Amino acid sequence: DTGVSQNPRHKITKRGQNVTFRCDPISEHNRLYWYRQTLGQGPEFLTYFQNEAQLEKSRLLSDRFSAERPKGSFSTLEIQRTEQGDSAMYLCASSFDLDRRLDTQYFGPGTRLTVL
Amino acid sequence: AQTVTQSQPEMSVQEAETVTLSCTYDTSENNYYLFWYKQPPSRQMILVIRQEAYKQQNATENRFSVNFQKAAKSFSLKISDSQLGDTAMYFCAFTPTGANNLFFGTGTRLTVIP
Repeated sequence: DTGVSQNPRHKITKRGQNVTFRCDPISEHNRLYWYRQTLGQGPEFLTYFQNEAQLEKSRLLSDRFSAERPKGSFSTLEIQRTEQGDSAMYLCASSFDLDRRLDTQYFGPGTRLTVL
Repeated sequence: AQTVTQSQPEMSVQEAETVTLSCTYDTSENNYYLFWYKQPPSRQMILVIRQEAYKQQNATENRFSVNFQKAAKSFSLKISDSQLGDTAMYFCAFTPTGANNLFFGTGTRLTVIP
């Protein structure tokens, strides 16, 4: 399987705990994106990496959220001191931008976070 | 501000029939891309079709085609010969050229009835 993978697929945690999610993009893709999707809504952009550099962050990404892509391959998204409002599906996507016309984002299956 | 509006929260269609999902968007950009993504129940989002705004010809992918009206900022998806596997949430999405993220609508839940 050469698609975008995400782990874990489901995470249940108690309010106040820290959680970390992992995303493995398609291997030749240099761009990586994180989105959050709440029930009944479309995905909302959180942040974007070009190789290992985090180039854009949404205002939705509070200081409790941090994302890394240390070697320009996989990425992690950490949420500290989780709140019930953080309950959502966290989606990762990747793309390849050598030719902007080919910059279609391919999505992973998501990590569903439930904060009790 | 970039916004995408899908005014049909739910739709249904009989198997083998044709259905059209609507999408409008608002932008001041002249160059951009539009997408339709499909999200089956409990499965990941997959790209259905994409359209570059500078192309006047409507994109087609097998049973899927779009009606792109740039002046009206409308981008509807037509599914012909609907199949049970087409049952899913369909999201319309937009990105300006050079931007780094997609703007999504709220989705249309399509059910194909046998």
